[in-house]
Amino acid sequence: DVKVTQSSRYLVKRTGEKVFLECVQDMDHENMFWYRQDPGLGLRLIYFSYDVKMKEKGDIPEGYSVSREKKERFSLILESASTNQTSMYLCASSLQGRQYFGPGTRLTVT
Amino acid sequence: RKEVEQDPGPFNVPEGATVAFNCTYSNSASQSFFWYRQDCRKEPKLLMSVYSSGNEDGRFTAQLNRASQYISLLIRDSKLSDSATYLCVVNVWANAGKSTFGDGTTLTVKP
Repeated sequence: DVKVTQSSRYLVKRTGEKVFLECVQDMDHENMFWYRQDPGLGLRLIYFSYDVKMKEKGDIPEGYSVSREKKERFSLILESASTNQTSMYLCASSLQGRQYFGPGTRLTVT
Repeated sequence: RKEVEQDPGPFNVPEGATVAFNCTYSNSASQSFFWYRQDCRKEPKLLMSVYSSGNEDGRFTAQLNRASQYISLLIRDSKLSDSATYLCVVNVWANAGKSTFGDGTTLTVKP
């Protein structure tokens, strides 16, 4: 079974803090993704990566950056957290179009 | 207009009922299609792929209509445990990583 893990299930940060969310997959998938999910807005793609050190902007990249130094690890960085970044963050990896999600990190920015 | 559209529901059905969800997509170049299931406060999980000829997995049947650009999911003999949100997912390229998700249809199965 594919396993995607995320560094935290719940996180509380203050406005202005730099926040790191980490995601690790164990199936050697080339593609990895970061989404946020908010009630009524569905899943929105923030960034994705199709190879080490490669990244592409998704639909809502503003306020976020990413890092992919190793194939199995994809990090999402909130440079200066704001309250409108309070959300559920979901990481995924994919193979042949099928996406496999981590359990999510529920981030609250106060 | 959204690239992938679903009726948000909610669909409230009794146990044992048959229920069907539809999903329309706007990009005629779309190549691969999936249904995911998401339980409350959990991550989405792949339910089944959707093939051109239609496919079945137990009580679940998925169909694709390329001419009309929609896919469907039929659930027969609904169980309480089928209560979840069902997400329609479309990829423009068959093996491409990037997917477009619908906003989901919520199903509640009642005793």
